[in-house]
Amino acid sequence: AQKVTQAQTEISVVEKEDVTLDCVYETRDTTYYLFWYKQPPSGELVFLIRRNSFDEQNEISGRYSWNFQKSTSSFNFTITASQVVDSAVYFCALSEALTDKLIFGTGTRLQVFP
Amino acid sequence: DADVTQTPRNRITKTGKRIMLECSQTKGHDRMYWYRQDPGLGLRLIYYSFDVKDINKGEISDGYSVSRQAQAKFSLSLESAIPNQTALYFCATSDPGERADTQYFGPGTRLTVL
Repeated sequence: AQKVTQAQTEISVVEKEDVTLDCVYETRDTTYYLFWYKQPPSGELVFLIRRNSFDEQNEISGRYSWNFQKSTSSFNFTITASQVVDSAVYFCALSEALTDKLIFGTGTRLQVFP
Repeated sequence: DADVTQTPRNRITKTGKRIMLECSQTKGHDRMYWYRQDPGLGLRLIYYSFDVKDINKGEISDGYSVSRQAQAKFSLSLESAIPNQTALYFCATSDPGERADTQYFGPGTRLTVL
C-alpha cells in the first residue's frame, strides 16, 4: 500500500533559521511522483514542486531546496533563512503513475516567529 | 481570474439537508478530483473523474456522489449531510500532457454541518 509519513506535526523556528521538513513515503510502484504543497493560513493549496521517481537530482528554488533519496524513500524540504511568510502547513504527497491519485501526508505546520 | 473555482466558499447547513458543492476550471484539464481535509488527517480523495464519462470512487466515497456535467465542471453532492462531513473540501484538476500528474487545487469550500 502507498503511504506518506510526515512525522513532524509542528515546527517552530525564529526568522532566519533554516528548517527541514521531513517526508518518508512507501510505494511498490517503480514509477511515481512526489510533491510538496503549501497551505498558508488563507487555506488554499499552493503547488511547490513535483519530482518523478527517475530523477534524484536535488532541486533549489530560491530559499527552497528539496532532497530526494530513493535509498531511504525520503523527499525532504528545506527552507533556508526562513521568513514569517513561510508560516503555513506543508504537505508532502505521492502520486501513482497511472491514476494521478494523490496520497497526502498529514502535513507539518511551520510557524516562523519574528 | 482563478483557474479553478469553487462555490460556495463557505456553507453552514443542518443535518439531513442536501448540499451541492460546485467546481469549475478554465485550465482545459480532463481530470478532476474532490478531496476533503480534516485536521490532522491531511487530504483524502472522495471521487475522481478522468473525463466526462468516467467517474471513480476514491478512498472515502460513502455519503457522497458526484456529477461531471462537462469537461470544466465537477460537482460534489452530500445527499443527506451529517455532522462528521464537516470539513474543508477541495477540488483539483490535472492533465498528464501538461505537467504530468501535477494537480492544481481550487480555493476550497468550508462546510459546516450542524
